[in-house]
Amino acid sequence: GAVVSQHPSWVICKSGTSVKIECRSLDFQATTMFWYRQFPKQSLMLMATSNEGSKATYEQGVEKDKFLINHASLTLSTLTVTSAHPEDSSFYICSARWGAQANEQFFGPGTRLTVL
Amino acid sequence: AQRVTQPEKLLSVFKGAPVELKCNYSYSGSPELFWYVQYSRQRLQLLLRHISRESIKGFTADLNKGETSFHLKKPFAQEEDSAMYYCALSRSYNTDKLIFGTGTRLQVFP
Repeated sequence: GAVVSQHPSWVICKSGTSVKIECRSLDFQATTMFWYRQFPKQSLMLMATSNEGSKATYEQGVEKDKFLINHASLTLSTLTVTSAHPEDSSFYICSARWGAQANEQFFGPGTRLTVL
Repeated sequence: AQRVTQPEKLLSVFKGAPVELKCNYSYSGSPELFWYVQYSRQRLQLLLRHISRESIKGFTADLNKGETSFHLKKPFAQEEDSAMYYCALSRSYNTDKLIFGTGTRLQVFP
């Protein structure tokens, strides 16, 4: 149980285009989802926390207008990288937590974004 | 600000040798500490958490508040333990985000 999927697993796009990444909890309802960014050989950096039905809370230094997060249902959150540039190339990972009493996060497999 | 430090980027041992992956944290309150593991080509998964005080796959970790440490230990390493290990901190139970360390790659040679 507690499986989180991400789609796509990798994407290549041209500079200036927008890319949407989906994060789904397959067998549980995720009240909270997290989006992380991981640079090569570096740790996971939290970008934002999203709760179903409310606006995402972004970490300091993360551009809200650049990284749009939508958490429209208890099983789906999306991250849209708007007007992507090469410096946005990275590995994006989502995680989901199933309830207020649970502190374990279940991670997705990640999405590799390459912006040309 | 909260911070998690893993001083070793790479730790290499031979099979059967003891392993200790170091983790230190800075936080003035009472944190909850976790170890996450990422095997090759797999997603990040929880290995253990300090409140459970359990042993998973032979690994244990004790929270030392005096030294602000949460080192991960295993008395006899196995080849299948080779992976990336991340220490993480949460400021409070069940409500907060995770702050990750930079990770330590463990290589266990046969």
